[in-house]
Amino acid sequence: NAGVTQTPKFRILKIGQSMTLQCTQDMNHNYMYWYRQDPGMGLKLIYYSVGAGITDKGEVPNGYNVSRSTTEDFPLRLELAAPSQTSVYFCASSLRTNGELFFGEGSRLTVL
Amino acid sequence: AQKVTQAQTEISVVEKEDVTLDCVYETRDTTYYLFWYKQPPSGELVFLIRRNSFDEQNEISGRYSWNFQKSTSSFNFTITASQVVDSAVYFCALGRGSSNTGKLIFGQGTTLQVKP
Repeated sequence: NAGVTQTPKFRILKIGQSMTLQCTQDMNHNYMYWYRQDPGMGLKLIYYSVGAGITDKGEVPNGYNVSRSTTEDFPLRLELAAPSQTSVYFCASSLRTNGELFFGEGSRLTVL
Repeated sequence: AQKVTQAQTEISVVEKEDVTLDCVYETRDTTYYLFWYKQPPSGELVFLIRRNSFDEQNEISGRYSWNFQKSTSSFNFTITASQVVDSAVYFCALGRGSSNTGKLIFGQGTTLQVKP
């Protein structure tokens, strides 16, 4: 029972590079989310999706893109990485709106 | 505007002490949902509880209890007889009942250190 799986767990990027954080869930949840966690700042929503083919911006979407071609997958793309994107990224899913969020283990990204 | 405030940045207690983590929220919605999540040192986020705005009953689960008071817009979390394993960052979060997106607003988190 994998739940929400994120890869990679750690990554170091150089300024200007691009990468994709992968997120897969096997619970058939329609709702999926990407959050970033900065020290002392709680979790900020980057993008979310309420179902395959539907995505929308959260609080801090600049510098990121997402797609949701299947129910299971919700990759987060970082274009032209900047030091401000150094953070821990969490993918989460939920069966229903305002239901329990199931989180992945997180991806620690450092941009140098 | 939706907002969650956890004014306590860090709390340190000695094992077996009781500790209360405060959560104050702001919303104009009449229907909303409140959550607590735990983030142990290993880093994953674990769901603890979900309450809706129409249910003000206090809840107890083992050593954990939650006090929801709409009059003061607070949803406080108490750990009784704390243990070292309770050391973690605890997040309070708010969801809008009128929303069909499930987006949550998180507080800044309270770091709890329980010393043996």
